[in-house]
Amino acid sequence: ETGVTQTPRHLVMGMTNKKSLKCEQHLGHNAMYWYKQSAKKPLELMFVYNFKEQTENNSVPSRFSPECPNSSHLFLHLHTLQPEDSALYLCASSRDRVGNTEAFFGQGTRLTVV
Amino acid sequence: AQKITQTQPGMFVQEKEAVTLDCTYDTSDPSYGLFWYKQPSSGEMIFLIYQGSYDQQNATEGRYSLNFQKARKSANLVISASQLGDSAMYFCAMREARGGKLTFGQGTILTVHP
Repeated sequence: ETGVTQTPRHLVMGMTNKKSLKCEQHLGHNAMYWYKQSAKKPLELMFVYNFKEQTENNSVPSRFSPECPNSSHLFLHLHTLQPEDSALYLCASSRDRVGNTEAFFGQGTRLTVV
Repeated sequence: AQKITQTQPGMFVQEKEAVTLDCTYDTSDPSYGLFWYKQPSSGEMIFLIYQGSYDQQNATEGRYSLNFQKARKSANLVISASQLGDSAMYFCAMREARGGKLTFGQGTILTVHP
């Protein structure tokens, strides 16, 4: 148990669907992150939230829309996705964003876009 | 530019032997942290060990140790007495004090043979 919980674990959606990924942490962390992990590629940082404020958007297409209602919850809203968006989406949290704080990860949501 | 490089796509080791996983990094920030994570087939990223750029001694955590060579900008992970359960993907990551992003390498798949 890492303290970071992601739901659902698996998701299959059509290109016209709208779905949301949920991430929850009760570690008292202030920073939360979304990463995308595609086959044979390094983890790609998508979004960073610090104290509920988005501090980074790594040129992510607008079909991915993050939401951070409080420091414990992070969502990733998905709409009109493409097959190449199929990947493992990992949520992480850390106490803050300084150099020596490790990030704790959830188990990920494996997304398949058909 | 790639900031974290793991040149070994796959490594094999015999059970109970030691193995070294390579990682080199690139940064101009004098203050940074280096991390190793393990990702089993379940998908979860498990934090293993941390090394700070100002740490004088190599980090150790149980069977894991980090061979930190600052001048060479390398941070290799050494796993002693390999176990079958060590078979997984291993990622090296760096967080610069400036910016705070946690950037990952491409990963190394470790297979431990009985």
